[in-house]
Amino acid sequence: NAGVTQTPKFQVLKTGQSMTLQCAQDMNHEYMSWYRQDPGMGLRLIHYSVGAGITDQGEVPNGYNVSRSTTEDFPLRLLSAAPSQTSVYFCASSSLRGAFQETQYFGPGTRLLVL
Amino acid sequence: RKEVEQDPGPFNVPEGATVAFNCTYSNSASQSFFWYRQDCRKEPKLLMSVYSSGNEDGRFTAQLNRASQYISLLIRDSKLSDSATYLCVVNRGGSYIPTFGRGTSLIVHP
Repeated sequence: NAGVTQTPKFQVLKTGQSMTLQCAQDMNHEYMSWYRQDPGMGLRLIHYSVGAGITDQGEVPNGYNVSRSTTEDFPLRLLSAAPSQTSVYFCASSSLRGAFQETQYFGPGTRLLVL
Repeated sequence: RKEVEQDPGPFNVPEGATVAFNCTYSNSASQSFFWYRQDCRKEPKLLMSVYSSGNEDGRFTAQLNRASQYISLLIRDSKLSDSATYLCVVNRGGSYIPTFGRGTSLIVHP
């Protein structure tokens, strides 16, 4: 099993550009999520999904879109990049037990710099 | 009060020492708890879940105190390889949005 994979590992964007961060998991997990991690801020949830076709907002969703057309893939789209979106982005997946996530497995992260 | 709080540290300890971290949470509806470990510039990885009865895994012991609303992590016989940031995670009942603490930095020196 590859677990959770993310591409790209690094990206530099100019303000106003758009891009998609890819995330895939091969563990058949229902739950997938995107976090950003900034110095001193901890991990903050951007968007999450509890199954194909179902997405919802986390704590900091503005400026980001997601879709979940398959169980395996959960891409994160930056609509118009801003310097405030410079961060490290982690995708995670887990199985669900009722209304709770089980152990979350994280991808290796994408380091994004917006100039 | 932040929903989940951790002392950022760093905790600077010699090899072989015992060190303990606490993590306090504010929402009494919180129902599941975890400790994750994050190495520098790497992704978080599960260290252990925290059960009401407490649990132990080798040198690591996690405890939950619901009355005082905190979880703890005890590391015995610290190793150099234990140097990392330790994140606590709290899940509220009925919510799919886990809350991460900002992490506690541990540095184990020779």
